[in-house]
Amino acid sequence: DIQMTQSPSALSASVGDRVTITCRASQTIDNWLAWYQQKPGKAPNLLIYKASSLESGVPSRFSGSGSGTEFTLTISSLQPDDLATYYCQQYKRYSTFGQGTKVQIK
Amino acid sequence: EVQLVESGGGVVQPGRSLRLSCAASGFNFDDYAMHWVRQGPGKGLEWVSRISWNSGGIDYTDSVKGRFTISRDNAKSSLYLQMSSLRTEDTAFYYCVKDRTGGGSYLFDFWGQGSLVTVSS
Repeated sequence: DIQMTQSPSALSASVGDRVTITCRASQTIDNWLAWYQQKPGKAPNLLIYKASSLESGVPSRFSGSGSGTEFTLTISSLQPDDLATYYCQQYKRYSTFGQGTKVQIK
Repeated sequence: EVQLVESGGGVVQPGRSLRLSCAASGFNFDDYAMHWVRQGPGKGLEWVSRISWNSGGIDYTDSVKGRFTISRDNAKSSLYLQMSSLRTEDTAFYYCVKDRTGGGSYLFDFWGQGSLVTVSS
């Protein structure tokens, strides 16, 4: 099984800050990596696919990068609406998710 | 607008069975693979099962193999999950999820709001 490890598990940042979340795969997944946002009490929502492709309708402050085993999600200017838990997911072989990163606003 | 509406959740005793349903609308249901993904209370996301557009390809995570059965009815635009021999560790919100492709890429582009299954004596 491919294991996904996210860091940090939680962070607190101010509005306007640049935020970076890291995801590491236990083996190479090429660029078969997605990021999801889950707001409190809601279902997850697809943000990024194929490591760096922005899903339609997602604000451009979200971006993704990486390939192989190391990936990052960046929020260029944190907004109050970005309060959520963010999950990475590999979909090279079946699907496994990272444990999530909870983003809080200072 | 894509909509996925789950139903059938509830409280069930260990060892019993339960059937979840998902009604889909707003897209050509029979063109896409579908999945069930679950999330324990306060926990992370776990993929449970996949079914391809024509039911020709079906997969399960190891922990539910032999206990859960996924199925679909394209005429009714509906997805199902028959769960038997339920365990306390199966307690979770179960999400009905649409795949980006027909065969199943495991890229999840639309999610339902979830149905809570609680396994407790």
